[in-house]
Amino acid sequence: QQQVKQSPQSLIVQKGGISIINCAYENTAFDYFPWYQQFPGKGPALLIAIRPDVSEKKEGRFTISFNKSAKQFSLHIMDSQPGDSATYFCAAPDRGSTLGRLYFGRGTQLTVWP
Amino acid sequence: DAGVIQSPRHEVTEMGQEVTLRCKPISGHNSLFWYRQTMMRGLELLIYFNNNVPIDDSGMPEDRFSAKMPNASFSTLKIQPSEPRDSAVYFCASSFSQGALNQPQHFGDGTRLSIL
Repeated sequence: QQQVKQSPQSLIVQKGGISIINCAYENTAFDYFPWYQQFPGKGPALLIAIRPDVSEKKEGRFTISFNKSAKQFSLHIMDSQPGDSATYFCAAPDRGSTLGRLYFGRGTQLTVWP
Repeated sequence: DAGVIQSPRHEVTEMGQEVTLRCKPISGHNSLFWYRQTMMRGLELLIYFNNNVPIDDSGMPEDRFSAKMPNASFSTLKIQPSEPRDSAVYFCASSFSQGALNQPQHFGDGTRLSIL
C-alpha cells in the first residue's frame, strides 16, 4: 500500500521558472510533512517541512502548500536555478508510531536548464 | 557536527559472497533506519531500530538480509549470500524520537553495492 503518491516523476524547468511537485497521502493521521532533496552521490537531506496546523510555509525560494481537505501538499520552487537540479522526495510520518518512521514518495527528478 | 557515517562508500563483490554494511548514527539519536534505493523501487525502508531494538523488519526482502544494532553508536546490515539483484544504494538514517513530536531523519551518503 502506497502511503504517499508523488508527481511528476520528472520535471524540466528553465532557469527563473517555477517548479511544482505534488504529493497526495492516504492516511489522515499524518501530522508532519517534510520534503527531502537529494543530489547525485549523496543521501537525501531535509529541505523544508510543514505541520498541518498551517496551510503554507516559506523558506527563501521554497514554499510548501498544504491542503488538508484534499489530502495533498506541494513544493514550489520559485526562481528555479541550475543548482536546484536534484531529486526531491515528499514524506509523511507514521502517526501510529512516535519512533520517527517516514513514508517516502517515489521522488521527482528536477532538471533546471540555464 | 559529524553526520551519519556509512562504510564502505562503494562495494563490489561476486555473487554468493557475504556483504556487511556499516553505519554510525548521529550521537544522541535513538532511532536508526536502513533504506535501499533503486531506480525501479525508489527508496524502500528495510528495517528500523529504536533504542537499539528492532521495531519493524517487514521491509527486509529475504532471510538473506539481517541487521543488528549492538549499541547506540553502531549498526550493521548484512547480506549473505549476496545476489546480483541486491545491487543498489543502501542508506542509513538516524533521528531523535521523543513523544509525539516527529523529528527529521538525517541520512548518510550511502553505500553503493554492486554484486557481479
